[in-house]
Amino acid sequence: RKEVEQDPGPFNVPEGATVAFNCTYSNSASQSFFWYRQDCRKEPKLLMSVYSSGNEDGRFTAQLNRASQYISLLIRDSKLSDSATYLCVVIAGNQFYFGTGTSLTVIP
Amino acid sequence: EAGVTQFPSHSVIEKGQTVTLRCDPISGHDNLYWYRRVMGKEIKFLLHFVKESKQDESGMPNNRFLAERTGGTYSTLKVQPAELEDSGVYFCASSPIGRAREKLFFGSGTQLSVL
Repeated sequence: RKEVEQDPGPFNVPEGATVAFNCTYSNSASQSFFWYRQDCRKEPKLLMSVYSSGNEDGRFTAQLNRASQYISLLIRDSKLSDSATYLCVVIAGNQFYFGTGTSLTVIP
Repeated sequence: EAGVTQFPSHSVIEKGQTVTLRCDPISGHDNLYWYRRVMGKEIKFLLHFVKESKQDESGMPNNRFLAERTGGTYSTLKVQPAELEDSGVYFCASSPIGRAREKLFFGSGTQLSVL
């Protein structure tokens, strides 16, 4: 079983739409959670950390549900520039575990 | 401030040849990680340095892979001899010591193709 599971998509949404991604993790002892963004042929870049209380950064909202062991990312008012692959990352022990990523394309 | 840099960006070699990848972390970052992404799969951990010491090399696939970080600055990852299944994108990432260690800064990767 994979440590981190994500729906690979692709998600194709029109500009202005709201889109949500989920990610599940298998290790209940995982202690830290992140969303990274990866543009085509580029390196992953940290988008935001994910906390149990939830956190928001502009149009982006991340939530953690420890009981169900899933993490979500909500993007409101999608922009063309949001098109990318979104990677769910979980830290368990001293290891970083990556999901395969969810591909998002925002269409004009 | 310079980010994490990797060299080369692409490498095409034949099976049996040797390739050495280099990573220069962000200055002052003691943590240095090597990851690999095979096409269609998730990014997977290879190993972790803290300064010049190997903290964890449990992800290294076999003894054809050798990583070094002499002096605790840049790191090299050598594959010798390369096999077809070694093809993929090799990412290096760095982070500082302490709580901020959890926020990784990635290099742009080396695309390795073994023919």
